Amino acid sequence: GESVGLHLPTLSVQEGDNSIINCAYSNSASDYFIWYKQESGKGPQFIIDIRSNMDKRQGQRVTVLLNKTVKHLSLQIAATQPGDSAVYFCAEPNQAGTALIFGKGTTLSVSS
Amino acid sequence: DSGVTQTPKHLITATGQRVTLRCSPRSGDLSVYWYQQSLDQGLQFLIQYYNGEERAKGNILERFSAQQFPDLHSELNLSSLELGDSALYFCASSTGSGEKLFFGSGTQLSVL
Repeated sequence: GESVGLHLPTLSVQEGDNSIINCAYSNSASDYFIWYKQESGKGPQFIIDIRSNMDKRQGQRVTVLLNKTVKHLSLQIAATQPGDSAVYFCAEPNQAGTALIFGKGTTLSVSS
Repeated sequence: DSGVTQTPKHLITATGQRVTLRCSPRSGDLSVYWYQQSLDQGLQFLIQYYNGEERAKGNILERFSAQQFPDLHSELNLSSLELGDSALYFCASSTGSGEKLFFGSGTQLSVL
């Protein structure tokens, strides 16, 4: 069925370290993936997206990697800052292509 | 600021009552989505409207209904409320379907 999952519910890093947040998806037909960041008391905020014809995409301090062979998605955050502390969700369109389904999220805690 | 406006921010009510949550999408966006976020279920898609018409349904209870008005704002109606309906309700908008969504800051519903 449709499901988007994450490997770890929590991740703790030191300020300045690189963070890697992982996500496994089940729908091999998915062609579009998105990462969201949700800070406490706020709605999910778009970070970066990637289409299935790519295996890597870079943004500002963030990189998304897509491995279609093992149906795995990761978000890498370079030089993690305290402001990066949040819950991170991966998402993909449902099979009908009408909405996004979300994984359960990884809570990133950055200590200084 | 995502450009999506939700009101009210907080709502406290009693079991059996009915409430209405309101959402104004980003300027130019025709699609409006409603999601429910709870600790145990994560972000669950409820329903989508596109240009005034219902486009897709997710895990929406029969006690819940929504509509999108000609000015594209949307309302989510929750009736016969139960304790388990306590959650964060998010509205999101996009230009089309199944693509990146822009979320509002949510309505925190507490049913006592």
